[in-house]
Amino acid sequence: DIQMTQSPSSLSTSVGDRVTITCQASQGINNHLNWYQQKPGKAPKLLMYDASNLETGVPSRFSGSGSGTDFTFTISSLQPEDIATYYCQQYDNFPRTFGQGTKVEIK
Amino acid sequence: QVQLVQSGAEVKKPGASVKVSCKASGYTFTSYDINWVRQAPGQGLEWMGWMNPNSGNTGYAQKFQGRVTMTRNTSISTAFMELSSLRSEDTAVYYCATDALGGYVYWGQGTLVTVSS
Repeated sequence: DIQMTQSPSSLSTSVGDRVTITCQASQGINNHLNWYQQKPGKAPKLLMYDASNLETGVPSRFSGSGSGTDFTFTISSLQPEDIATYYCQQYDNFPRTFGQGTKVEIK
Repeated sequence: QVQLVQSGAEVKKPGASVKVSCKASGYTFTSYDINWVRQAPGQGLEWMGWMNPNSGNTGYAQKFQGRVTMTRNTSISTAFMELSSLRSEDTAVYYCATDALGGYVYWGQGTLVTVSS
C-alpha cells in the first residue's frame, strides 16, 4: 500500500496568514493526488484534484502543486471559514489511501 | 442536483452485521463508481473499497476482505455496503462517495455505526 505522510498534523495561525501543508507519498503517484477539506460533523469536500486543479466553486486562495512523491497544498490568506481538517489522498493505486490529516486552527 | 442519501444510524452488538444504503439521485447511477470511506471517532479517513454500479465489479481494501460486501440495486439507484463480524473498532461514520476520475466530488451525509455490547 502507498503510505501518505502529511505534515504538520496541526497548525495554529492567524487570519490572513499563508498556510502550507505537505504530503509525501511512499512511492511515485504521478499527479494522482486530491486534497479534501473536512469541517466537524460534515462529509469531506473535494478542493483540488490532479494535485493542482481547483474543483469548481473553490476559492482561488487554495492552490496545490507537486508530482511524483512530494506535494504541497497552500491557502494564500487564511479565512475564518477555512478552519477545518485537510486530507490528501492518492488515487494512483489501490487501495486508495489518505494522509492522516492536518487540523488548521485560528490562533 | 446530485445527492447521495444514506440510511440512518445503527447500533449493533459485536459479531453482528450492518448494511448501509446510499441512494443516488440527480445523475445516472451507473455512470460513476461508488466508494466507501469510514471515519472512526476523532480519527482520519479510511478507504474501504469501490463498486462499479454498472457491472457490479468491486474492489476492497485488504483490511476488510472477507468481511465487507458492496452491492447495488440499479432499479432504485442505491448502493449498499455490508460489514460483518462487527467489533468495537468498527464504530465509525461510514460515507459513500461518487468517484469521478479519482476525485470524490459527491458524498453522502454519513451513517454512524456504533458497535457496543
